[in-house]
This record gives sequence, structure tokens and C-alpha cells, in this order.
Amino acid sequence: AQKVTQAQTEISVVEKEDVTLDCVYETRDTTYYLFWYKQPPSGELVFLIRRNSFDEQNEISGRYSWNFQKSTSSFNFTITASQVVDSAVYFCALSEDRDDKIIFGKGTRLHILP
Amino acid sequence: GAGVSQSPSNKVTEKGKDVELRCDPISGHTALYWYRQSLGQGLEFLIYFQGNSAPDKSGLPSDRFSAERTGGSVSTLTIQRTQQEDSAVYLCASSLDSATQYFGPGTRLTVL
Repeated sequence: AQKVTQAQTEISVVEKEDVTLDCVYETRDTTYYLFWYKQPPSGELVFLIRRNSFDEQNEISGRYSWNFQKSTSSFNFTITASQVVDSAVYFCALSEDRDDKIIFGKGTRLHILP
Repeated sequence: GAGVSQSPSNKVTEKGKDVELRCDPISGHTALYWYRQSLGQGLEFLIYFQGNSAPDKSGLPSDRFSAERTGGSVSTLTIQRTQQEDSAVYLCASSLDSATQYFGPGTRLTVL
């Protein structure tokens, strides 16, 4: 069965600090996709990144970086020099096929304090 | 550019009434998904369309829920005889390459 666990329910950090959001996944498939979505207070889910299971290269996009480790079934997300606008709920997610539904973790609510 | 749109943005209904929720996917996207988000259950998959057919309806919670998609575009999610536990935000997503799903703003349904 597929499962995504985000152990951190809520995190608060002061602006400009770095913060890492943890994600651990379970799947029996060898081919799968991992995602991160951001849900700001407005409510709309914003796509951030997709990785497929064959691509373990870490990725950096501006202040955002992602660390994918198959050995530990983890796909962690780091925000460097956090800003108040980063405050949101962040969801890690998994799908086991290109056409498959996405299974979401419970989300981590991130508060960036000014 | 135009994203996924959903209507209405908010719907308040009385228990026992039927409701219809609409989703307009991104133009050209062949895959369409419905999810719902509630405090207790998080984000749950409901149904997936590829074109007009629905190969995966596994997430529909009961036979009161149904969905259709016409012309490979607009989709309607119908909930019959609404119950209070149906209160949630209903999210629609569409996908071109069937791997990355882009979400609409959702419809907040409140059943009194």
C-alpha cells in the first residue's frame, strides 16, 4: 500500500532561518512519482516539484531545495532564508503511475515569524 | 494563462439536497481528477477521468457521489441527498502528461 508521512504537523521559525520539512513515503512499486505542493492561506494548491523514482538527483530552485533519498524513502524539502510569504501548509505526495491518483501526506503547517 | 477553474466557490446547502460542482480543466488537459479536503481526513482522491471515461472511481465514498465529464473537458461532481459529513472543500485537478496535476481553487461545500 502507498503511504506518505509528514511527521511535522506544525513548524514555526523566525524569518531568514532555514527550515526543512520532512517526508517519508511507502510504496511497493519501483516506478513512482513524488511531489511537493504548497497551500497558502488563499487555499489553492500550488505545484512545486515532481521527481520520478529513477531520478535521485537533488534539485535546487532559488531558495527551495529537495533531497530525495531512496535508501531511506525520504523526500525532504528545505527552504533557505525563509520569508513570511513562505507561510503555508506544505504537502508531500506520491503517485504510483503516471495516470494514478496522488496520495497526500497530512501536511506541515509552516509559520514564518517576522 | 488560464488555470483550472471551479464553480461555485462556495456552496451552502441543507441536508438532503442534491448539489452539483463544476470543474473546467486547463485547455488541452486530457486527465481530470477530483479530490476533497476536510479537517479530519486531509486530502482524499475521489475519481479520475481520462478523456470522458473514468478508469478509477475508487475514492467515491458512497453511491450518493457521481461524476461525469463531457467533451473531454468540463466535469461535474454530483452529490445526492447531502449529509453533514459531506462538508469539505472539493478540489479539481487536471493534467496534460498524466504525472503532474494542477489544482483549481476548490469549492467549499457546507451542509447544514
